[in-house]
Amino acid sequence: AQSVTQLGSHVSVSEGALVLLRCNYSSSVPPYLFWYVQYPNQGLQLLLKYTTGATLVKGINGFEAEFKKSETSFHLTKPSAHMSDAAEYFCAVRFSGSARQLTFGSGTQLTVLP
Amino acid sequence: DTAVSQTPKYLVTQMGNDKSIKCEQNLGHDTMYWYKQDSKKFLKIMFSYNNKELIINETVPNRFSPKSPDKAHLNLHINSLELGDSAVYFCASSQGEGATEAFFGQGTRLTVV
Repeated sequence: AQSVTQLGSHVSVSEGALVLLRCNYSSSVPPYLFWYVQYPNQGLQLLLKYTTGATLVKGINGFEAEFKKSETSFHLTKPSAHMSDAAEYFCAVRFSGSARQLTFGSGTQLTVLP
Repeated sequence: DTAVSQTPKYLVTQMGNDKSIKCEQNLGHDTMYWYKQDSKKFLKIMFSYNNKELIINETVPNRFSPKSPDKAHLNLHINSLELGDSAVYFCASSQGEGATEAFFGQGTRLTVV
């Protein structure tokens, strides 16, 4: 079955430290991959997406993600966390033949400590 | 200009009532969606319309009925509201297939008391 897994429902980092949020998918065909961010009481905003081509994708606010087909992963990173990065992060996948819908991971709450 | 707008943002109602949530997008997209986010932040698709035609209808109680009067609007009507319907409902839109991302509204927080 096709699925999306985000390891770690809560991640805490110190300000200035590396942010690493993990996302794995289960599919025999590489899907389209997305990361969204949700700030409190707001909608979801696209951070970045992987389509085809370069496997390292750069997004907004200094975030980037690397698609690794062999590991079926699309982990999100940021070299230096800022207090404003505190939010909920969702990995989303559009599987082949999924009639356009996005399947979301369970989300990771990122806390940035001063 | 707001790309995907939902009204109302907050909705508090009693069990058994009927309510509607409206959604409009001004992006010219051909596909619109309703997602439900539960108290644990889990997002699950409910419905999807492409050019006013229903293309996704997940396992949702038939008390929930989407209506798309045109490509720019997708409303959600809920009959006989139950406590378990309390959640945040997001409208979204996208264009075409493949790598296109979905754009989300701000959400409607529904509380059933």
